[in-house]
Amino acid sequence: NAGVTQTPKFRVLKTGQSMTLLCAQDMNHEYMYWYRQDPGMGLRLIHYSVGEGTTAKGEVPDGYNVSRLKKQNFLLGLESAAPSQTSVYFCASSYVGTGEQPQHFGDGTRLSIL
Amino acid sequence: RKEVEQDPGPFNVPEGATVAFNCTYSNSASQSFFWYRQDCRKEPKLLMSVYSSGNEDGRFTAQLNRASQYISLLIRDSKLSDSATYLCVVNKGSGGYNKLIFGAGTRLAVHP
Repeated sequence: NAGVTQTPKFRVLKTGQSMTLLCAQDMNHEYMYWYRQDPGMGLRLIHYSVGEGTTAKGEVPDGYNVSRLKKQNFLLGLESAAPSQTSVYFCASSYVGTGEQPQHFGDGTRLSIL
Repeated sequence: RKEVEQDPGPFNVPEGATVAFNCTYSNSASQSFFWYRQDCRKEPKLLMSVYSSGNEDGRFTAQLNRASQYISLLIRDSKLSDSATYLCVVNKGSGGYNKLIFGAGTRLAVHP
């Protein structure tokens, strides 16, 4: 009963380094999302995908790229990490986008950029 | 102004107390409303949806006031295990896309 799995769980990067966060879901959901959560702020949507091969920008997309080559996977990339990208990143998925179905979240990736 | 606003708390209450949280939202066109629960350093999890007529799930009661654009969550007979951050979530929803706007959360601490 895996649900949504994120890897890695923790990572420390130096400014300018690149990395990819992986999100995998086994619920056959069409919609997938990447959020970041910072202290005192609600989760903010970075990018999302409404199906395999499609991606779209969310509220705070700058500095990030995403890919959805397979339905079950949604990758978030940081090409040149900056200290402002220190955050907790959550991936989520949902079956439909009507708003009546909840989003299921992974347990997060804690990323620190030095 | 934030799209979804909540009192950050913390609300410190004894076991058995009744506690209520409110949340206001700015988009009058919002269609769906939820409360999520987030434990410390964990992922958010859906607690309950909020329906226009109000709804109850055990000790939890959610209400929606569209005219005043606020949502409430009432917790009766608080348990230690209720200690968490409660996120008010509003769906803006356009074109079939489930865009959720999250409040920053209200922290509840239940003590013995």
